[in-house]
Amino acid sequence: AQKITQTQPGMFVQEKEAVTLDCTYDTSDPSYGLFWYKQPSSGEMIFLIYQGSYDQQNATEGRYSLNFQKARKSANLVISASQLGDSAMYFCAMREPWNRDDKIIFGKGTRLHILP
Amino acid sequence: DTAVSQTPKYLVTQMGNDKSIKCEQNLGHDTMYWYKQDSKKFLKIMFSYNNKELIINETVPNRFSPKSPDKAHLNLHINSLELGDSAVYFCASSQGPLESLRDEQFFGPGTRLTVL
Repeated sequence: AQKITQTQPGMFVQEKEAVTLDCTYDTSDPSYGLFWYKQPSSGEMIFLIYQGSYDQQNATEGRYSLNFQKARKSANLVISASQLGDSAMYFCAMREPWNRDDKIIFGKGTRLHILP
Repeated sequence: DTAVSQTPKYLVTQMGNDKSIKCEQNLGHDTMYWYKQDSKKFLKIMFSYNNKELIINETVPNRFSPKSPDKAHLNLHINSLELGDSAVYFCASSQGPLESLRDEQFFGPGTRLTVL
């Protein structure tokens, strides 16, 4: 079974609109971390935002925020006021604790296209 | 200064050859990783090292051999290259050993390997 599921392979959004990229995860561990990374067409992987399973508040970083719904095991990325430069692949990822090999498992990604 | 660097950026080679990819990080991190990203953009961990010690060894053909001469370097050697090895290989590093799930991974720029 997939640990990280991103159900939207591709999305098209008008510039300046808000975008929500979906991510659901599967773990039985109460302690875990969730990450979002951006991969533009140039190929590099850029860390965007982190949410810990025990964090009381949803994470925010500038125009990025994470809609964390623990009971539903979802960690959707919200991008406010989208820009052309937001066009990229976006990956959701999860880390489980050290004694489980400290792996970060990535979802299959969502390709976001921002339209002018 | 580049935090995580990889060489070469592009590698084109014939089937059956042996090749190496080098990775260096100047962040003082203890843990380094190799990921493979296939043509569908799926990112999968291959290996991780913590302080020169192998921590994660996913189901990877033994033609792939990582080598960590010191904690700032993690090289990947591939023997008898096959067509299916064509992919982008990313090196990454994180603070480790894991004291916080918060530790993000810093990625190198990737090496695009094409096997002809």
